[in-house]
Parts: sequence; C-alpha cells; structure tokens
Amino acid sequence: DTEVTQTPKHLVMGMTNKKSLKCEQHMGHRAMYWYKQKAKKPPELMFVYSYEKLSINESVPSRFSPECPNSSLLNLHLHALQPEDSALYLCASSQAGTSGRAGTDTQYFGPGTRLTVL
Amino acid sequence: AQKVTQAQTEISVVEKEDVTLDCVYETRDTTYYLFWYKQPPSGELVFLIRRNSFDEQNEISGRYSWNFQKSTSSFNFTITASQVVDSAVYFCALSEVIYGQNFVFGPGTRLSVLP
Repeated sequence: DTEVTQTPKHLVMGMTNKKSLKCEQHMGHRAMYWYKQKAKKPPELMFVYSYEKLSINESVPSRFSPECPNSSLLNLHLHALQPEDSALYLCASSQAGTSGRAGTDTQYFGPGTRLTVL
Repeated sequence: AQKVTQAQTEISVVEKEDVTLDCVYETRDTTYYLFWYKQPPSGELVFLIRRNSFDEQNEISGRYSWNFQKSTSSFNFTITASQVVDSAVYFCALSEVIYGQNFVFGPGTRLSVLP
C-alpha cells in the first residue's frame, strides 16, 4: 500500500486563524516531508523529519510549525498566515535513505491540501 | 549545486503520437538518483521511476520508456502512443547522496494530449 493521506483537501482561512494540516502514512517509512507548491511551479521543500526528528527546515517562516507526533503522522500548524501563503501543501514519505539521510529514497506523495488565505 | 533543467515548458500532441520529455541535470556527486513524477490536474504527485547513477540501462514499462545517458547528463522520458489520460505536468528530480540534501525538482513540463 503506497498511500499517503492528507486532510483537509481544501482549507480557507483568515490571516488571524489557527489551523492544522494533517498527513498520515502506514508504509513504515521513517522520513516525512512537507512541500509547498505554487501554481505552475515545482514543489518546494519546507521541512524534513527523519525518525521523528526535524532534520531540515528550509528557512520557513515561524508562522508554519511542523510536528511529528509519531512515525505515521505529520502535522503542519498554521498561524497568522499571509495571502501569499496560499498554495498546494504536499506531504510525502520515504524510507530514511540508503545513506541514512532522508531524501535519497523514493518519496510517495499525498493528494495535498489546497490552502487559501484571505 | 544540484540543478535540473526541463527545457520544454509545454508540449501538445494528438492522441496516439509518441512524445519525449527532456531532462538534463547537473551534479558534482558520483552517486545520485534520478526520478520522474507525474502530476495530473488532481494535484497528487505520482511516482513513475527511480534510477541510480550506476545503472545506465534503459527501462520500459508499458507505454513508458526512459533513456539515461550519463555522458550527456540526461534522463529523458518517452510516452509511446499517447493517451488523453497522459495529460499532466511531469517533473524530473535529482537527489544526491553525498553533497545534496534533498530532492531537487525540475520546473516541469506540461503535456497536453488532444483527442
């Protein structure tokens, strides 16, 4: 089963709201990722968790706060977002990497959450 | 730094035509992985293939085939007898083992297959 699930599918929020995006996988993967994708652009990496520890934060603003409660779940907490944060947010998972680092193994992606910030 | 180029921004073909999507990469690593993903209008990125730098054999999977040439740093993707369901954005990606940290995606090629 190569399924990664994400909820919600769509989210509309105001700039003062607090919301969370959720991602779940049951493939036994120990690396999980958050990507942001703007229209007509490739996905941009935001965060990488490896063995439930944050291993990479690509200089993402603090209004995005990731959390990995266990090896199957990944959350992205959102607070005080800006309209330019509107995008498709993709979650992915993979084995932890042939060299022990996340990022070298095949990443399996969820369907994404389409976020609109008003 | 890792870099992936997909020179074709958009391609349109008529159903049943063959189409090749180009991917050229740059890396200083000797061990790396190349990937192709498909993103249909629904948004989900669908994994198509992973190839490591030591395996230059071409691969065929149904109507899909891949041509990996280290000499030209290219990893091209051909769809034979294209179908309307092949319409999507296709991304090539590179992951280095030693020097890089993560996937680097190319800018993508939007393929439209017309009936």
